[in-house]
Amino acid sequence: DAGITQSPRYKITETGRQVTLMCHQTWSHSYMFWYRQDLGHGLRLIYYSAAADITDKGEVPDGYVVSRSKTENFPLTLESATRSQTSVYFCASSERRGGADTQYFGPGTRLTVL
Amino acid sequence: TQLLEQSPQFLSIQEGENLTVYCNSSSVFSSLQWYRQEPGEGPVLLVTVVTGGEVKKLKRLTFQFGDARKDSSLHITAAQPGDTGLYLCAANRDDKIIFGKGTRLHILP
Repeated sequence: DAGITQSPRYKITETGRQVTLMCHQTWSHSYMFWYRQDLGHGLRLIYYSAAADITDKGEVPDGYVVSRSKTENFPLTLESATRSQTSVYFCASSERRGGADTQYFGPGTRLTVL
Repeated sequence: TQLLEQSPQFLSIQEGENLTVYCNSSSVFSSLQWYRQEPGEGPVLLVTVVTGGEVKKLKRLTFQFGDARKDSSLHITAAQPGDTGLYLCAANRDDKIIFGKGTRLHILP
């Protein structure tokens, strides 16, 4: 199916564990993004990627690592999860970077760190 | 300081009523977008406005970009329960998209 998918949809982990959230898009969009959404903060950009092997930090990158070896995949890794990383994580993609371009969002991953 | 201020934060009204929500900033933007997010889903783009004073209509939804390109409004006519959701505005700053915190809208049947 065409679109953007995220897995898992729900994840519970413990403090200190490594967690990887997966994101896959079928449109061959150049740009991919990771956001976190928290009450009181809205959507905040964690990392983004302009193409395979090109990534850059967003507003809140600390504690996260990304990679993009293939255009269609953009995994987000929490190397040592903390309670403050409990959030809903959204992956998005777009053809171009810029405010007038459409970002297509995945359904989100709800992560709870105990 | 929040770059994009959305108001009100919450709004609950009866079906059939009209409403307006706002997205304000002290900064000038080259474009501004409105997204709607339903529970358990990601945001979905409703509209992009790029010209100061621009008005776009999407069925019962009317979007306006301020003349100075610092603010925008979303007006819904005869609200329906299907309009319930979180409305987010987003703007381009330094080639990055910044989101407001959103207006959570609930339409009562």
